[in-house]
Amino acid sequence: ETGVTQSPTHLIKTRGQQVTLRCSSQSGHNTVSWYQQALGQGPQFIFQYYREEENGRGNFPPRFSGLQFPNYSSELNVNALELDDSALYLCASSPDPLTTGELFFGEGSRLTVL
Amino acid sequence: AQSVTQLGSHVSVSEGALVLLRCNYSSSVPPYLFWYVQYPNQGLQLLLKYTTGASLVKGINGFEAEFKKSETSFHLTKPSAHMSDAAEYFCAVNAGNNRKLIWGLGTSLAVNP
Repeated sequence: ETGVTQSPTHLIKTRGQQVTLRCSSQSGHNTVSWYQQALGQGPQFIFQYYREEENGRGNFPPRFSGLQFPNYSSELNVNALELDDSALYLCASSPDPLTTGELFFGEGSRLTVL
Repeated sequence: AQSVTQLGSHVSVSEGALVLLRCNYSSSVPPYLFWYVQYPNQGLQLLLKYTTGASLVKGINGFEAEFKKSETSFHLTKPSAHMSDAAEYFCAVNAGNNRKLIWGLGTSLAVNP
């Protein structure tokens, strides 16, 4: 059983640039959630995708967008990067959209915006 | 609205000592509560969860937590700390629509030899 994998693991961008982060969900999971974890903070919910549709969104501006593909892998896109976007971006997959069960996390993509 | 407060951003214990990490929550619906652990440079891993039923929940690596509705608490304990327990611990509660988790700020646990 393959776990959740994220790429890239680390990247550096400059203000105003755009970034795409990728996530492969665990086998059998149809739901992917993205979280932002700033240094010294808990994860903050960005959005969730269920069967290729956005299924819930946190308090993030529209320049944060996503996709889910037929194989349930997912992308997080961030446009017009700001310094405050520097964080660890975590992808979590689950077998259904409800949070009554376990979320399976990848190791994250650490984004630094200069 | 749901919220989580973790008391103590840093906790230090001696190896073999009791571990107690505190979590208080606020929820407008019956809560589902979770403890996750994050080892350095790794993702989050579920330690244990409370959904319904028995208030004392046992998890992996010898950890357990007790749901106390009257105190709105879900504290994490382990009778005897091991060096490998050094990590960041997060408490979380489900949002009312069960589509996301609301997380505490985390508690960094250090275990001294």
